[in-house]
Amino acid sequence: EDQVTQSPEALRLQEGESSSLNCSYTVSGLRGLFWYRQDPGKGPEFLFTLYSAGEEKEKERLKATLTKKESFLHITAPKPEDSATYLCAVQGKVEAGGTSYGKLTFGQGTILTVHP
Amino acid sequence: DTAVSQTPKYLVTQMGNDKSIKCEQNLGHDTMYWYKQDSKKFLKIMFSYNNKELIINETVPNRFSPKSPDKAHLNLHINSLELGDSAVYFCASSRTGRTEAFFGQGTRLTVV
Repeated sequence: EDQVTQSPEALRLQEGESSSLNCSYTVSGLRGLFWYRQDPGKGPEFLFTLYSAGEEKEKERLKATLTKKESFLHITAPKPEDSATYLCAVQGKVEAGGTSYGKLTFGQGTILTVHP
Repeated sequence: DTAVSQTPKYLVTQMGNDKSIKCEQNLGHDTMYWYKQDSKKFLKIMFSYNNKELIINETVPNRFSPKSPDKAHLNLHINSLELGDSAVYFCASSRTGRTEAFFGQGTRLTVV
C-alpha cells in the first residue's frame, strides 16, 4: 500500500528564516509526486508536480526537489502569507478494465506558521 | 469562473438523515474524485470516476453512494448519517494520466 509521511507536523519560522519540509514516500510505480498548499477553510491548491528523481521545480519562494524515497519543499526567506498547511501526495497506479489510472495518497501535512 | 464547485459549503444534519453533496467542474476533465478530510486534516480518497465509470472505491461504507450523471458532475449521497461521518468532503477533478488534481472548496458536514 502506498504511504506518505510528512515532517515536521508543525513548523514555526520567523519571517526571512529559510527552512525545509520533508515528504517520505513508498509507492508502487510512482506516476508523480505533488505538493499542495491548503489555507484554513479552503481546498488544497496545487503547487508542483515532480515525476522523476533529481527533478526540481520553483515558484516564488518555494522550491521542490525529489529523490527516490523523499521530496523536500524548501522555503527561502518566507513571509507571513506563506503560512498554510503544505500537503504532499504521491500518485500510484490503479489498474481498471485494462487501463492504468492514477490514485493520490496524501501525507498528513505540515502546518507552517511564519511570524512577522 | 470557478473551476471545481461544491454545494453546499456547510451541512448540519441529524443522525439517521440522508443528505447529498453536489460537485461540478468546468475544466473539461474526465476524472473526478471524492476525498474525506478528518479532524486531523488527513485527506483520504473515497471514490474516483473516469468518464462516468467508477474506478476507485476505497472501502467506503455502502451508505455512501456516488453518482456521476456526466463527466462534469459527481454527486455524493449519504444514507443514514452517523456521527463519525462528520468531516470535510472535497471534490476534485483531473485529466486522465499523470496530472494534478484540482480541488473544490470543500463541504463541512456536521452530524449531530
